[in-house]
Amino acid sequence: GAGVSQSPSNKVTEKGKDVELRCDPISGHTALYWYRQSLGQGLEFLIYFQGNSAPDKSGLPSDRFSAERTGGSVSTLTIQRTQQEDSAVYLCASSLVSDQPQHFGDGTRLSIL
Amino acid sequence: GENVEQHPSTLSVQEGDSAVIKCTYSDSASNYFPWYKQELGKRPQLIIDIRSNVGEKKDQRIAVTLNKTAKHFSLHITETQPEDSAVYFCAARTSGTYKYIFGTGTRLKVLA
Repeated sequence: GAGVSQSPSNKVTEKGKDVELRCDPISGHTALYWYRQSLGQGLEFLIYFQGNSAPDKSGLPSDRFSAERTGGSVSTLTIQRTQQEDSAVYLCASSLVSDQPQHFGDGTRLSIL
Repeated sequence: GENVEQHPSTLSVQEGDSAVIKCTYSDSASNYFPWYKQELGKRPQLIIDIRSNVGEKKDQRIAVTLNKTAKHFSLHITETQPEDSAVYFCAARTSGTYKYIFGTGTRLKVLA
């Protein structure tokens, strides 16, 4: 596609459920980033992929959060046993290589009831 | 750790006036500084960026200046228009790393 695509655009779920968020980067982009943006706040870095590898997972808030990337393309962010504080917009970005500008998707708005 | 401070948090200007947003970074090894515009409910959009080997960059009504000695960089918008109203984020990235540190954002309102 022309841009970074994220799905679903909105997700409402009950506390304690698992959720999976998907990111389709721009074709050919090797670097992929996940961020979390709480209401009215800045962007909190979660994880970065170069190809299928994640050199640094220290941004993930807890062990309930995990992410993977397969085939150097699609990435999924999984949150297990969701809590209300997980409610936020989860943004994905990709870049051709890590030192090139990032392009963001529209995000997934996650609401935990 | 690395930190980026952004000021002001909110800014209101009259249409046609200029707006300036300033960011200060802590890591002297930072070498790439993008600015993003985020309209309500939309994705952040890159509007301008600057690398550390340049002191100023301009694109029509938007300019960014970088002072490496003081470790700060600023976004300048001239002849503001109502459609410039949005939240603006600065970011800094250190050479050889992938990690972007974002400022907390500036909500700009351009009053018609």
